[in-house]
Amino acid sequence: QKEVEQDPGPLSVPEGAIVSLNCTYSNSAFQYFMWYRQYSRKGPELLMYTYSSGNKEDGRFTAQVDKSSKYISLFIRDSQPSDSATYLCAMSGDTNAGKSTFGDGTTLTVKP
Amino acid sequence: KAGVTQTPRYLIKTRGQQVTLSCSPISGHRSVSWYQQTPGQGLQFLFEYFSETQRNKGNFPGRFSGRQFSNSRSEMNVSTLELGDSALYLCASSFGQGAYTDTQYFGPGTRLTVL
Repeated sequence: QKEVEQDPGPLSVPEGAIVSLNCTYSNSAFQYFMWYRQYSRKGPELLMYTYSSGNKEDGRFTAQVDKSSKYISLFIRDSQPSDSATYLCAMSGDTNAGKSTFGDGTTLTVKP
Repeated sequence: KAGVTQTPRYLIKTRGQQVTLSCSPISGHRSVSWYQQTPGQGLQFLFEYFSETQRNKGNFPGRFSGRQFSNSRSEMNVSTLELGDSALYLCASSFGQGAYTDTQYFGPGTRLTVL
């Protein structure tokens, strides 16, 4: 079983919809939780970074971490066609960000 | 500030050959990590270098190796290439100092095709 499981998708939503992307994990040592966005043929781009449990909001994006349930989510409000990409959750067990464990990614398509 | 750069961007090799990929981190970053990304396995951690020393290593065979230079630039080498090594190889850099705000920034990757 993988340490990080991500809802596989793909997801297809109309423009303006609220999108929910989710990951579960099994390693209790994870403390740092990240969401990356990856466009086709590009490297991942850091979207959100959260330390421990709680919520973090940045514009249309909200990241939630529930360490008790080992569950993290990324919400995208008012989704746009430019949000169409693969979203990867990632986690790290200590303050060293250099070794992160990634989910397999969820591909999102936002239709105009 | 310039981002992480990787060279070459595309590479085609045949089985049995070896390959060297290069990564230049963001200025001031001392940690460089390498990942392999494939459709079947997702993004998998290869190794991390910090101040010219390998600090972490993933579960890859010894054919995969790397090094880091004093200017933090890093190279990874894959010897005796196999068809299954075809992948996007991503490099990521960070300060590596352990502060909770330290995060990784990825380069565009090198797409390796093994024939």
